[in-house]
Amino acid sequence: NAGVTQTPKFRVLKTGQSMTLLCAQDMNHEYMYWYRQDPGMGLRLIHYSVGEGTTAKGEVPDGYNVSRLKKQNFLLGLESAAPSQTSVYFCASSYETGVQPQHFGDGTRLSIL
Amino acid sequence: AQSVSQHNHHVILSEAASLELGCNYSYGGTVNLFWYVQYPGQHLRLLLKYFSGDPLVKGIKGFEAEFIKSKFSFNLRKPSVQWSDTAEYFCAVNTWAGNKLTFGGGTRVLVKP
Repeated sequence: NAGVTQTPKFRVLKTGQSMTLLCAQDMNHEYMYWYRQDPGMGLRLIHYSVGEGTTAKGEVPDGYNVSRLKKQNFLLGLESAAPSQTSVYFCASSYETGVQPQHFGDGTRLSIL
Repeated sequence: AQSVSQHNHHVILSEAASLELGCNYSYGGTVNLFWYVQYPGQHLRLLLKYFSGDPLVKGIKGFEAEFIKSKFSFNLRKPSVQWSDTAEYFCAVNTWAGNKLTFGGGTRVLVKP
């Protein structure tokens, strides 16, 4: 049982490039989340999904897009990367909203030059 | 919007010392409360959670937290820390009406051997 798997683990991009981060969970969770972690700011929610085919904006959605075409996968896209998007990105999933704890992936360290 | 404050950004202490980390939230309704721990280079793991009932909650590795509703607080404690407790600790809050967690900014704890 892998839990929450994120790919890739590390990536370096140039400003203006695009990329997609993949999150996959094998726990049949309905809810999935994308966070970014920056020093001193904790985790901030980018986008989340309450089920297959649904997405919603979180606290810091600008510059990101997401898709949840399959229940087990939640993709985070950067259309035109900016240095301000240099961060560690975490995906999480949960069975129910808030009541059950969220399970986190190992993170993706993304650097934008 | 709800917010979570962790007043200590960095804590340094020696092994066997007692630890207390503060967490305050701003939301007047019913909440679910969590403490997560992030060991260096790893993802977040659930330390303990409070949903209802006894306001003193015990978690893994000897940690406990006390929910004081009148003070909007959920402080984390450990009577005697070990070097292996070196990590960053995050408080998080979810409201029963919400779909997502709000995280505090984190407290980095360094335990000197």
